[in-house]
Amino acid sequence: GDSVTQTEGQVTVSESKSLIINCTYSTTSIAYPNLFWYVRYPGEGLQLLLKVITAGQKGSSRGFEATYNKETTSFHLQKASVQESDSAVYYCALDNYAQGLTFGLGTRVSVFP
Amino acid sequence: EAGVTQSPRYAVLQEGQAVSFWCDPISGHDTLYWYQQPRDQGPQLLVYFRDEAVIDNSQLPSDRFSAVRPKGTNSTLKIQSAKQGDTATYLCASSTGDTLYFGSGTRLTVL
Repeated sequence: GDSVTQTEGQVTVSESKSLIINCTYSTTSIAYPNLFWYVRYPGEGLQLLLKVITAGQKGSSRGFEATYNKETTSFHLQKASVQESDSAVYYCALDNYAQGLTFGLGTRVSVFP
Repeated sequence: EAGVTQSPRYAVLQEGQAVSFWCDPISGHDTLYWYQQPRDQGPQLLVYFRDEAVIDNSQLPSDRFSAVRPKGTNSTLKIQSAKQGDTATYLCASSTGDTLYFGSGTRLTVL
């Protein structure tokens, strides 16, 4: 079946520093899945941060970027300069033929001033 | 535009009790999903519908869990005899394409 791996369960970073959250995926399909980053801010529901449906393309939103790398089967999330408001739980996910999302375990990001 | 609405927000049960969760998707969304999210894990798909039809329920523990969406709008997920291992947040999501819109979830604790 499909799987998504996020290696960091928790990340703590100072405000204005850079952030990278690693994500790799595995799929049994012969096609390339759609890839997503979802985020849950404190007290809020899970919401889409960005998505990329074409291998090789980059998605961006709210200062975050992620590039769909089919060679390394990765979709790492990066931000050059984080703010306290970026403190949240981030989930990498894949969608194979619109069969519902397969999520990673999530990475809790804490940004301190 | 109203988002996905779920109720109740919280539920606390003893083992063996039954519980139902209710979901009202975004108007016009034909696809509805139920996910289970144990603490410190990612959401895991239980079942999903397109209109009133079940498309995939292979991950639903069929002996105790059931889900319906009779008119292709609202949906109910029921646990017949809850176990401690069912403690989790139950998320409903809806979509018309590849982006899912999630409700706030129901946090279930089974004692």
